[in-house]
Amino acid sequence: QKEVEQNSGPLSVPEGAIASLNCTYSDRGSQSFFWYRQYSGKSPELIMSIYSNGDKEDGRFTAQLNKASQYVSLLIRDSQPSDSATYLCAVSRGDGGGADGLTFGKGTHLIIQP
Amino acid sequence: DGGITQSPKYLFRKEGQNVTLSCEQNLNHDAMYWYRQDPGQGLRLIYYSQIVNDFQKGDIAEGYSVSREKKESFPLTVTSAQKNPTAFYLCASGQGGNQPQHFGDGTRLSIL
Repeated sequence: QKEVEQNSGPLSVPEGAIASLNCTYSDRGSQSFFWYRQYSGKSPELIMSIYSNGDKEDGRFTAQLNKASQYVSLLIRDSQPSDSATYLCAVSRGDGGGADGLTFGKGTHLIIQP
Repeated sequence: DGGITQSPKYLFRKEGQNVTLSCEQNLNHDAMYWYRQDPGQGLRLIYYSQIVNDFQKGDIAEGYSVSREKKESFPLTVTSAQKNPTAFYLCASGQGGNQPQHFGDGTRLSIL
């Protein structure tokens, strides 16, 4: 059974600080990695995608991937109260890149304290 | 506007009843997916389709059925064989390959 593990939290971070969210996965064949943000009662919204080892930055968000360690992370700089949400890590199933669907973690509940 | 439309937003099922959830996309995406989310849980894959007239089972397909007669549409039927149907159902689509999936607003299904 392919798994994606996340700390469920809640993770509490002061406004303006850096929030660090982590994810590990079990399928070594996975090629594509995604972070989704989900507000309570809403559907997931894509935040970042990453496909190769290293860092990828987009505005206040940085995704980090280490395939050798099977580890993905998301950094949120200058955290805002509007960043308070559940963050879902998603990993492609096998080597299909995601076309065969994604395996999701249970999510980390992030709270930004004003 | 381009997007993924799911309907209805809320649905109630009686004992022994089949219900169908609608998912339509106008993004010209080849691949479409159905996921189920239970409270405090991640999403679990029910069915997916990479091309018209073809679909594959995901991890929890028992008690569900789908069809893909048109590129734009991927309806999900929750049959009476699904004994615990109460959940948040999410439809997604993507261009296939390693491209990300985008989600509709979801349908909340409850048992009467």
